[in-house]
Amino acid sequence: EDQVTQSPEALRLQEGESSSLNCSYTVSGLRGLFWYRQDPGKGPEFLFTLYSAGEEKEKERLKATLTKKESFLHITAPKPEDSATYLCAVHGSGSARQLTFGSGTQLTVLP
Amino acid sequence: DGGITQSPKYLFRKEGQNVTLSCEQNLNHDAMYWYRQDPGQGLRLIYYSQIVNDFQKGDIAEGYSVSREKKESFPLTVTSAQKNPTAFYLCASSTLDANEKLFFGSGTQLSVL
Repeated sequence: EDQVTQSPEALRLQEGESSSLNCSYTVSGLRGLFWYRQDPGKGPEFLFTLYSAGEEKEKERLKATLTKKESFLHITAPKPEDSATYLCAVHGSGSARQLTFGSGTQLTVLP
Repeated sequence: DGGITQSPKYLFRKEGQNVTLSCEQNLNHDAMYWYRQDPGQGLRLIYYSQIVNDFQKGDIAEGYSVSREKKESFPLTVTSAQKNPTAFYLCASSTLDANEKLFFGSGTQLSVL
């Protein structure tokens, strides 16, 4: 059974204070690891897909990295508008079309 | 603009009542999904469909039903058999490509009166 654990559950940063969110996973044959951003009361918005260990992707102040056991979402010099819940999900080869989601990290960036 | 439209935004259910949540997409995606989100928990898959008139149960299908009569539409019915229906319901769609990138609607918050 695929499992995803995200940490920390909540993170408060000052504007400009860089940090990282963690996504640890166990999966039988990784097909893809996904990062989403979710604002309160809205649906998740796709950020990145990572497929193999060593892969990195960037978008503005966000950078996602992947190892064989975990993924990190690095946030560089965050701004208040980066405040959201960040969700990680995996698609394993044993799951026909199902993603397994973590419970998310709620990020608050204070001005 | 292409996207996924869920309605209503808020829905209230009385005891013993069935309610239906609407999901429409104009992205020409073959696959559609329903997820349930509870506070502090990850999204859990209720049902998914890859083709018209066919759908599969997810992890928590009990107490729910779906139909897929049109490619664009995938309504979810929360039946009276679902004893704990209060949650945020998300509809999503994707192509059938292996990379499984999901596009989500804006969600429906269902509460019990």
